Amino acid sequence: GESVGLHLPTLSVQEGDNSIINCAYSNSASDYFIWYKQESGKGPQFIIDIRSNMDKRQGQRVTVLLNKTVKHLSLQIAATQPGDSAVYFCAANTGNQFYFGTGTSLTVIP
Amino acid sequence: ETGVTQTPRHLVMGMTNKKSLKCEQHLGHNAMYWYKQSAKKPLELMFVYNFKEQTENNSVPSRFSPECPNSSHLFLHLHTLQPEDSALYLCASSQEPRGASTGELFFGEGSRLTVL
Repeated sequence: GESVGLHLPTLSVQEGDNSIINCAYSNSASDYFIWYKQESGKGPQFIIDIRSNMDKRQGQRVTVLLNKTVKHLSLQIAATQPGDSAVYFCAANTGNQFYFGTGTSLTVIP
Repeated sequence: ETGVTQTPRHLVMGMTNKKSLKCEQHLGHNAMYWYKQSAKKPLELMFVYNFKEQTENNSVPSRFSPECPNSSHLFLHLHTLQPEDSALYLCASSQEPRGASTGELFFGEGSRLTVL
């Protein structure tokens, strides 16, 4: 199986600052990872993904870093905006099954 | 808009009621899923359907009964639920059937269920 955990249940950042949300996984066989954003009252929304043959992937204002050595995944959000306030959680795919973390609640302070 | 639509968005029911949750995906995907999301807990996989055939039941109590009439529609029938079943129930779909190559899960907005 797999165990996925986020390092901090909550995170507060000033508007305009960069945010970093961290995730750890336990199974070195995990080969595909996704970050999801979930706003209040809504379903999880895909942000960015990365496969295990990469260590970095960039999107619009978001970057995912994968460190397979220590089984660590991070999501970096540049110039955080109030609309980024949400719960973020990572998912790790092992044996074609997704395992999810509990989520980090990000609050952006205007 | 993710292409996965769930109804109703909110449902309050007594323990003796029978109700159903509905999910429809407009993405042409081959796999559909029911997940349970409780506060402070990771998403829990409940059921998986590949090409409208149930392939997984993650030890879900029989008071939850899924139905998949075709690859675009998924139902979760609810009967004699308990208060601890109160949660957000999420439907998801993926292009590839589970067990094939990996790919993104697309989630609906969820049905918030409260059992009194």
